[in-house]
Amino acid sequence: DGGITQSPKYLFRKEGQNVTLSCEQNLNHDAMYWYRQDPGQGLRLIYYSQIVNDFQKGDIAEGYSVSREKKESFPLTVTSAQKNPTAFYLCASSILGTGESEQFFGPGTRLTVL
Amino acid sequence: AQKITQTQPGMFVQEKEAVTLDCTYDTSDQSYGLFWYKQPSSWEMIFLIYQGSYDEQNATEGRYSLNFQKARKSANLVISASQLGDSAMYFCAMSMIKAAGNKLTFGGGTRVLVKP
Repeated sequence: DGGITQSPKYLFRKEGQNVTLSCEQNLNHDAMYWYRQDPGQGLRLIYYSQIVNDFQKGDIAEGYSVSREKKESFPLTVTSAQKNPTAFYLCASSILGTGESEQFFGPGTRLTVL
Repeated sequence: AQKITQTQPGMFVQEKEAVTLDCTYDTSDQSYGLFWYKQPSSWEMIFLIYQGSYDEQNATEGRYSLNFQKARKSANLVISASQLGDSAMYFCAMSMIKAAGNKLTFGGGTRVLVKP
């Protein structure tokens, strides 16, 4: 079955530590995205990538970094510079990097920083 | 900048009745897409329906229909014959079709609880 996998589902880290969230897709989609969701709120875009080895900042990129070395993978690193990293993180992909194609979402990773 | 507003934080609906979820948007672009997503208690995001700004007919997908009123900048979701499984958060989102990257701007969501 094609889809998007995110691991782990729950992640706990101590304050000041960097942490990397995994996102893999086997849908052969060109574009991939990372969103953050805080309790009771909508999603906000962190980073997106339309093609391998290229990515762009979204609305809330500060304190985060990404890489896109393979088409299937788009890991997100939450650095110690992120002031309030505890949140639900969702990865998504789409067949085209244009505004007409729906985005398919992974199951998400809930990050808690202690 | 684009903005999506969902004014209903939560609502109850009786099973088998229809429910309308409000969504208004703000953009100066002429080419945009409007999406609705469902987020059940499992936290996954499920795509429901899409409407392009140049589509003349309202989009429909099974029990979901989108009431698109371009002049009023509204894109309300109508769920007909509500089922218990429709209980979830619903998000309206917008993208700019001609802009680089399929970036979605989301509203704050509406929580729907279907009563038996």
